[in-house]
Amino acid sequence: GAGVSQSPRYKVAKRGQDVALRCDPISGHVSLFWYQQALGQGPEFLTYFQNEAQLDKSGLPSDRFFAERPEGSVSTLKIQRTQQEDSAVYLCASSLVTSGFKLDTQYFGPGTRLTVL
Amino acid sequence: AQTVTQSQPEMSVQEAETVTLSCTYDTSENNYYLFWYKQPPSRQMILVIRQEAYKQQNATENRFSVNFQKAAKSFSLKISDSQLGDTAMYFCAFMKHLLQGAQKLVFGQGTRLTINP
Repeated sequence: GAGVSQSPRYKVAKRGQDVALRCDPISGHVSLFWYQQALGQGPEFLTYFQNEAQLDKSGLPSDRFFAERPEGSVSTLKIQRTQQEDSAVYLCASSLVTSGFKLDTQYFGPGTRLTVL
Repeated sequence: AQTVTQSQPEMSVQEAETVTLSCTYDTSENNYYLFWYKQPPSRQMILVIRQEAYKQQNATENRFSVNFQKAAKSFSLKISDSQLGDTAMYFCAFMKHLLQGAQKLVFGQGTRLTINP
């Protein structure tokens, strides 16, 4: 089956523009995560969904960042009024289960490289 | 808060050699999981190996094995008989036990590993 897909793969925005990044998780996966990876750094957690519920958004750097997953499948990360410091790769990951005693692997998408000029 | 430290920004070895990547972490949790992820130049993050903290036996996956020292909070990755396809960024990551919060991963800064022919 298909893995996690993200679109677009590359996005160039002028400072001040709004952008929307899409994530299609593996079919049936309950959990969905967004991470931000600055150049030469490890990914950093942004937000987490269990189905359509956003259970943790503690990693969102400002109120310009907004994520949604209205039907519990596809998710969109929106960044309003982009700034140069938003330039990074945005990674999406999904996993099958979220509770109980079974640990499941997070499967990552290829990421969206955002460049803000 | 948990932190993960990878003290080797870059490493380079010859094909077929064995290489060990270091990782230390800081946490007050007793139950958690540790992971090594590989990120080739294409950017797709792939799980290499994982370890449950409550297991004393070190995890192995074919040519990949870990040395988990819980008291020392150390989690190194050994790659035996290295291959050209092992060239990638390697990230060490920490996850709290499921019942203690969302399954977000906390990553180290990564080690760039190059396998030379």
